[in-house]
Amino acid sequence: EAGVAQSPRYKIIEKRQSVAFWCNPISGHATLYWYQQILGQGPKLLIQFQNNGVVDDSQLPKDRFSAERLKGVDSTLKIQPAKLEDSAVYLCASSPPAGSFAFNYGYTFGSGTRLTVV
Amino acid sequence: AQKVTQAQTEISVVEKEDVTLDCVYETRDTTYYLFWYKQPPSGELVFLIRRNSFDEQNEISGRYSWNFQKSTSSFNFTITASQVVDSAVYFCALSAGTTSGTYKYIFGTGTRLKVLA
Repeated sequence: EAGVAQSPRYKIIEKRQSVAFWCNPISGHATLYWYQQILGQGPKLLIQFQNNGVVDDSQLPKDRFSAERLKGVDSTLKIQPAKLEDSAVYLCASSPPAGSFAFNYGYTFGSGTRLTVV
Repeated sequence: AQKVTQAQTEISVVEKEDVTLDCVYETRDTTYYLFWYKQPPSGELVFLIRRNSFDEQNEISGRYSWNFQKSTSSFNFTITASQVVDSAVYFCALSAGTTSGTYKYIFGTGTRLKVLA
């Protein structure tokens, strides 16, 4: 099966500019996650969708970050305006429902978008 | 609160040596899942293993083995006869239920493994 697709692969922007990332999950995966991974740290969950509804966005800096998942498939994550500390890799992941056999195989992660804010 | 601790920031070994990566977790949930992921230089997180809290049986997969001990809240990962291709950052993760009935991961800070030829 095709993996989780993310674009762009790399992005360099100046602080205070806006940026958007796109994610296409594995077909049929109802749950979609956006993670932020700062260099030298483990991934941190920003937002979790179940179909097109938000399940958890407790760690999303809502003053500058927004995300949507229209039609319960693709998702976009936006930062506006960007700050220097937003430099990180943004990982998208998807998973089948917990309790299904396929859940045994964990999340499937995309390759990520490396954002550099200068 | 849920937490995953990987105390080893970086480990260097010579090829063919065995190496163990430590993972200690904290959770109040009785049902939870533990994972190990590998992150090679390409950046993608690669799933290695998942264990649920009711299954403490150790597992071996080729050169990889995992030791899950609830008594010490540990889920350690051993690579036998390490190879240069094992060089990567390895993450331990904990997944427990939320009030919404879904699960989310808490990752450790990772251990960078360098295998020298």
